[in-house]
Amino acid sequence: GENVEQHPSTLSVQEGDSAVIKCTYSDSASNYFPWYKQELGKRPQLIIDIRSNVGEKKDQRIAVTLNKTAKHFSLHITETQPEDSAVYFCAAVGTMTTDSWGKLQFGAGTQVVVTP
Amino acid sequence: DGGITQSPKYLFRKEGQNVTLSCEQNLNHDAMYWYRQDPGQGLRLIYYSQIVNDFQKGDIAEGYSVSREKKESFPLTVTSAQKNPTAFYLCASSPGPRGVNTEAFFGQGTRLTVV
Repeated sequence: GENVEQHPSTLSVQEGDSAVIKCTYSDSASNYFPWYKQELGKRPQLIIDIRSNVGEKKDQRIAVTLNKTAKHFSLHITETQPEDSAVYFCAAVGTMTTDSWGKLQFGAGTQVVVTP
Repeated sequence: DGGITQSPKYLFRKEGQNVTLSCEQNLNHDAMYWYRQDPGQGLRLIYYSQIVNDFQKGDIAEGYSVSREKKESFPLTVTSAQKNPTAFYLCASSPGPRGVNTEAFFGQGTRLTVV
């Protein structure tokens, strides 16, 4: 089945700097890779996602890149702000051709702290 | 609130008792999921269901059971066989894997404390 590893577990950055979180996945047939943000005491919410037929996607200050050959994908946050402080989770979903079909598997999460 | 509701928000039970957590969605989603969240361990998948009357075990299914008799509902029972049940439980739903995968929405969670 799918296994998703996420690094680092914690990330401290100065306001205005960039933050990068990396994830690797094991099932080469996975085709959907969402990123979720969970603020303290709140539910996780989708911030960006990417599909296996795309190499990069941007949405304002956040971007996600996908390297299918290496089976890894990354979240990039530029010009970080204090409100970016949260736990970020990557995830992967398997295709119909795998045992992981429909299985939304998350990484362990990254605690991001943005200091003013 | 995204149309997915978990109840109750807080739940206390005595050790050895079974307890059922409710999860209801009105988004007409096919897929539903249960996760357990412990500090520093992320979101661990307990069970998931892609369609009514069908569900699969996740990574930590031991001591838990589910049912999916209705599209809108996916209750989770924490049995007395679960050795460390105190945790924060999150339910999620998504349109499902048929066709193109899309966003999953989460409930507000249930914090279960077993004493």
